[in-house]
Amino acid sequence: GAGVSQSPRYKVTKRGQDVALRCDPISGHVSLYWYRQALGQGPEFLTYFNYEAQQDKSGLPNDRFSAERPEGSISTLTIQRTEQRDSAMYRCASSSTGVGGYTFGSGTRLTVV
Amino acid sequence: QQQVKQSPQSLIVQKGGISIINCAYENTAFDYFPWYQQFPGKGPALLIAIRPDVSEKKEGRFTISFNKSAKQFSLHIMDSQPGDSATYFCAAVVNDKLIFGTGTRLQVFP
Repeated sequence: GAGVSQSPRYKVTKRGQDVALRCDPISGHVSLYWYRQALGQGPEFLTYFNYEAQQDKSGLPNDRFSAERPEGSISTLTIQRTEQRDSAMYRCASSSTGVGGYTFGSGTRLTVV
Repeated sequence: QQQVKQSPQSLIVQKGGISIINCAYENTAFDYFPWYQQFPGKGPALLIAIRPDVSEKKEGRFTISFNKSAKQFSLHIMDSQPGDSATYFCAAVVNDKLIFGTGTRLQVFP
């Protein structure tokens, strides 16, 4: 596609529910990244993939967070048993070179009530 | 070690003036230093970037100055325009991972 597409744009969920956030990267981009951005803060690294391989998941806050990219294209970030502190903007980015030249999507605004 | 410190938090500049945003880092393994511009409701967009073996890079009205020994780098926006009003993030890359600064909200008034 022309850009990085994320869905849904907005997600409101009740505490304790599981949510799945989807990212469709730019076609052909090898690398895919997940970030979390709190209001007024810079994006915080969560995890990234080269093709289908998860290269680094050191930023995932705890084991309720997981991500996959099974066919090396679309990725899903899953948060189990959501908590209010999980509320944030979740951003996906993709890159053809992996050298900082990322293209970010518009994000998914997650609100846990 | 992984932090990138950014200042100021907010900046107000008159049209035509120079906007300067500063960043500092500790981790000498960082090997690429991009700046991102973010408008409200949008994702960050790459603005300009520099490698640590270069002391300055200029693209139009935007210049990065890089001081490797001091582990500092800065963004200069010359002839600032109201359309430059946005949040600016410095960042540093290590192992293909972007580490962002905390952001500077720039407002340029006519």
